[in-house]
Amino acid sequence: GAVVSQHPSRVICKSGTSVKIECRSLDFQATTMFWYRQFPKQSLMLMATSNEGSKATYEQGVEKDKFLINHASLTLSTLTVTSAHPEDSSFYICSARDRGSPPDTQYFGPGTRLTVL
Amino acid sequence: TQLLEQSPQFLSIQEGENLTVYCNSSSVFSSLQWYRQEPGEGPVLLVTVVTGGEVKKLKRLTFQFGDARKDSSLHITAAQPGDTGLYLCAGGYGNKLVFGAGTILRVKS
Repeated sequence: GAVVSQHPSRVICKSGTSVKIECRSLDFQATTMFWYRQFPKQSLMLMATSNEGSKATYEQGVEKDKFLINHASLTLSTLTVTSAHPEDSSFYICSARDRGSPPDTQYFGPGTRLTVL
Repeated sequence: TQLLEQSPQFLSIQEGENLTVYCNSSSVFSSLQWYRQEPGEGPVLLVTVVTGGEVKKLKRLTFQFGDARKDSSLHITAAQPGDTGLYLCAGGYGNKLVFGAGTILRVKS
């Protein structure tokens, strides 16, 4: 149980284009989803917290117009990187909180490798 | 500001050796979680400790939560090449998880 999927697993795009990444909770309802960014050999950096049906809460320094987050249902959140540039290349990971689990429990997706040329 | 300091940052050891990874903070956490992550994959939860002073064992891995719930340690006995990976501690803080910087462990055969 508590499986989180991400799609796509890998994407390469040209500079200036937009890329959408999906995060799905497959066997539970996720009232809250989180989006992280990770650079090589570094830890996870929280970008934003997404609650179903409401606007996402962004961490300091993260541009909300650059990284659009939508959490339209209890099983799906999307992250859209708008007008992507090479510096946006990174490993993006989502996680989901099961409403039935302890508050600190997050289940992580397998990540999406974004490369912007 | 990094609330959770993790050390060491890198560790390269021989198969069979023991090791300990530490996470320390001046903040109190509601829980402390340890993850292991392999390249190109998401973190996989190893354990959650909730009670101050709690000790949990998972085969050759022993996890401890400090009495004051501000620090934690991960001890691996007789490390194997399959233990190689990035180990992350994360503390429950408010509505979020605060991650340590990670420890890259390499176990050589």
